[in-house]
Amino acid sequence: KAGVTQTPRYLIKTRGQQVTLSCSPISGHRSVSWYQQTPGQGLQFLFEYFSETQRNKGNFPGRFSGRQFSNSRSEMNVSTLELGDSALYLCASSLFPDRITDTQYFGPGTRLTVL
Amino acid sequence: GNSVTQMEGPVTLSEEAFLTINCTYTATGYPSLFWYVQYPGEGLQLLLKATKADDKGSNKGFEATYRKETTSFHLEKGSVQVSDSAVYFCALKGSARQLTFGSGTQLTVLP
Repeated sequence: KAGVTQTPRYLIKTRGQQVTLSCSPISGHRSVSWYQQTPGQGLQFLFEYFSETQRNKGNFPGRFSGRQFSNSRSEMNVSTLELGDSALYLCASSLFPDRITDTQYFGPGTRLTVL
Repeated sequence: GNSVTQMEGPVTLSEEAFLTINCTYTATGYPSLFWYVQYPGEGLQLLLKATKADDKGSNKGFEATYRKETTSFHLEKGSVQVSDSAVYFCALKGSARQLTFGSGTQLTVLP
């Protein structure tokens, strides 16, 4: 079974631009979560989608948004990019997100650099 | 809220040495506990998990035991290899649907 895939793997943007990142979950997984990883803040939760609905959101400004499609693929968008948005963005999918015992499986990440 | 405190790194060991990376947590209820590993330029890979007290998760020679009395989930391996060099993250999942991560521990194993 194919794992979580993320595209693109690398992105370079300039301040003020916007960017869209894509994530395809493991087949059959309907929950997709996004995390931001930076050297200073570590791994921080952005949001979670299940059946096309955002159910949970972390403490990030409104410039960070996302959506999920009927095939469970998800996109996240960052508008008006700032230098501090440079990070590795990780997507994770899972099968039973409401279960405490559920496991999240991660993709390889998208490395975003903002110049 | 939930939190995970992880042993500060970096950790440098010689091949075949014994490894311990400490992890303690704060959570309400009975969370599940995880160790993930991140190799350079890659995402997170699940290494092992435990879902209830006294459970032992194990994989590829790594082990960790869910200790509710000490709220700990320390990662151990009896004999590390150069290929184990990576960043290791302890994480928990409680009643909220997201994972809460520790700060990560960089492990370097020298031949």
